[in-house]
Amino acid sequence: ETGVTQTPRHLVMGMTNKKSLKCEQHLGHNAMYWYKQSAKKPLELMFVYNFKEQTENNSVPSRFSPECPNSSHLFLHLHTLQPEDSALYLCASSQGGGDETQYFGPGTRLLVL
Amino acid sequence: SQQGEEDPQALSIQEGENATMNCSYKTSINNLQWYRQNSGRGLVHLILIRSNEREKHSGRLRVTLDTSKKSSSLLITASRAADTASYFCARGNNAGNMLTFGGGTRLMVKP
Repeated sequence: ETGVTQTPRHLVMGMTNKKSLKCEQHLGHNAMYWYKQSAKKPLELMFVYNFKEQTENNSVPSRFSPECPNSSHLFLHLHTLQPEDSALYLCASSQGGGDETQYFGPGTRLLVL
Repeated sequence: SQQGEEDPQALSIQEGENATMNCSYKTSINNLQWYRQNSGRGLVHLILIRSNEREKHSGRLRVTLDTSKKSSSLLITASRAADTASYFCARGNNAGNMLTFGGGTRLMVKP
C-alpha cells in the first residue's frame, strides 16, 4: 500500500455518461497529480495541484475536469468522453516541497464505449 | 519535449542474471527517479538520484547518472522472477515539482 487510494478501480461508461474518479492520499502531502496511461504510450501528466491550487494543465481537453477540494482529495470529472480516452488513470501525490518522489495509487481502468 | 529514450523497450533474461536498463534525456534535471510498475497497477518508487550524484545503491538496485551525457542506467543484480515488471525513468524538472516519464522498459525474468 502506498497510502494513495483510487476509486473505482474499474469503470465502463458510454460517451454520453458523466462519471467521476476519486483519489485520496493519507500521507499528508501537499501536491497531487493526475496521469493518463494508454497502451504503448508514455505516462502523460494531465493536471497538477499544489496546496489545492491547479498549477499545471497539460493541454487536457475540457471533457476532463479536475477538482481538488482539499490537500487530501482529488477528483477527475468525466463528461462526453471518446473511446480514445480509454486508459488507466493514475493519481499520485508528493510532499510538495521540492523532493518530488511521487506516490501512486493503483489506478482506475476506464473503458469508454 | 523533455521526454527521453529508454532502452531497451523490452528485456528478457534468466533468473539470476543481471538486468540493465538505460534512460536518456534532453534537458537539464533536478533529479532522476526510477519507478516500477506491475501490469495494470500503479507505479512504485524505487530510487532517486540527484543531479549532483553519480551513483546510488538500494539493495539489489544500482543507479548511475551521467549528466554530461544526459543518461542514467538502472542495474538489477541477481534478478528474480518477481522482478518481472515495467521500469520507468522519470526526470524531475529544475523546480523539483514535476516529473516527465519515459516509455519504460518491460523486463521479463524467466524462472
